[in-house]
Amino acid sequence: LAKTTQPISMDSYEGQEVNITCSHNNIATNDYITWYQQFPSQGPRFIIQGYKTKVTNEVASLFIPADRKSSTLSLPRVSLSDTAVYYCLVGPFGNEKLTFGTGTRLTIIP
Amino acid sequence: ETGVTQSPTHLIKTRGQQVTLRCSSQSGHNTVSWYQQALGQGPQFIFQYYREEENGRGNFPPRFSGLQFPNYSSELNVNALELDDSALYLCASSSGLVIETQYFGPGTRLLVL
Repeated sequence: LAKTTQPISMDSYEGQEVNITCSHNNIATNDYITWYQQFPSQGPRFIIQGYKTKVTNEVASLFIPADRKSSTLSLPRVSLSDTAVYYCLVGPFGNEKLTFGTGTRLTIIP
Repeated sequence: ETGVTQSPTHLIKTRGQQVTLRCSSQSGHNTVSWYQQALGQGPQFIFQYYREEENGRGNFPPRFSGLQFPNYSSELNVNALELDDSALYLCASSSGLVIETQYFGPGTRLLVL
């Protein structure tokens, strides 16, 4: 799986939009980009997955530039309940043998 | 939401002992993956079972072994426990087709003294 680099931590205020960027310079042609969220003492939860351009679902958007060497997870109007660790993963579609990095610890401030 | 359950929730063992952790998959899921998550780190893939057969293994020694049963529940066994085996052990079940359907359980926290 391609190595990913994300910020170790981020802080944001409630109601703001939060963007977390992940670098994956050696992404392969058949790799997809997937983001997971993990709360303390819980298993990770799938947020969003994409291959190129922009993907949006009910909780987040994922922006992927043309060279696909990075991606940005965008969380609109965050609340305190969005405080969690966010992981960026890169690998083939359908790959369930996931390898997580250390993730980004997002703290939402009231 | 998830339907994946794990037992026990917490466990304390001493070095050299053996441990068995259990996972019940979400209904309709035939694939189970196990992960180890050390404190402050992301989960690391141990192995995966698909229809009772091992279907891929991460960089873990043979003392980590597993089983999947006909009802698709699963066990993770660790022999000769070491202090570094202290971690949160997660299982995830899926239908084997679409990545977003992989659901993680709450994990078993193992402490090796």
